[in-house]
Amino acid sequence: NAGVTQTPKFRVLKTGQSMTLLCAQDMNHEYMYWYRQDPGMGLRLIHYSVGEGTTAKGEVPDGYNVSRLKKQNFLLGLESAAPSQTSVYFCASSYIGRQPQHFGDGTRLSIL
Amino acid sequence: AQSVTQPDIHITVSEGASLELRCNYSYGATPYLFWYVQSPGQGLQLLLKYFSGDTLVQGIKGFEAEFKRSQSSFNLRKPSVHWRDAAEYFCAVGAGNRDDKIIFGKGTRLHILP
Repeated sequence: NAGVTQTPKFRVLKTGQSMTLLCAQDMNHEYMYWYRQDPGMGLRLIHYSVGEGTTAKGEVPDGYNVSRLKKQNFLLGLESAAPSQTSVYFCASSYIGRQPQHFGDGTRLSIL
Repeated sequence: AQSVTQPDIHITVSEGASLELRCNYSYGATPYLFWYVQSPGQGLQLLLKYFSGDTLVQGIKGFEAEFKRSQSSFNLRKPSVHWRDAAEYFCAVGAGNRDDKIIFGKGTRLHILP
């Protein structure tokens, strides 16, 4: 029973590089979310999806793109990484509303 | 728009003592309220939630929270803490619509003295 799985767990990038974070859930949840967590800031919503093929902006969407081509997967992309995007990224899912219920263990991303 | 404040950044209690973590929200109508816990190196886990009805909500791991509209508060309580409860706790508020996003507080880190 995997729940929500995020890959990779750690990554170091140079400024300007691109990368994709993958989130997979095996609970058949409709709603999926990407958050970033920074010290003293709590969690802030980047993008979310209310179902396969849908995406929407959250509080801090600039510099990120997302795709939900399959119901179980939610991808977060950084087209041109910036040091301000150094953070811990969490994916989450839920079966109702926009209140996340199940979280992955996070991806720690450093941009040099 | 809704907002949430957790006044205490750090709280230290002795093992076996009671616990209360404070959460205050701002929203014009009845909000949806949540408490999450995050252990080191892990994602968040939902402890409990309030949508409507009984203002005293029971959650997992022996936690409870009480919604007090007059004080705009949703404080988390546990009668006797265990060393495993050491973690960071986040309160969150939604706008009363199950399809709206929620806003997280900045968290309270709980330390347990042996």
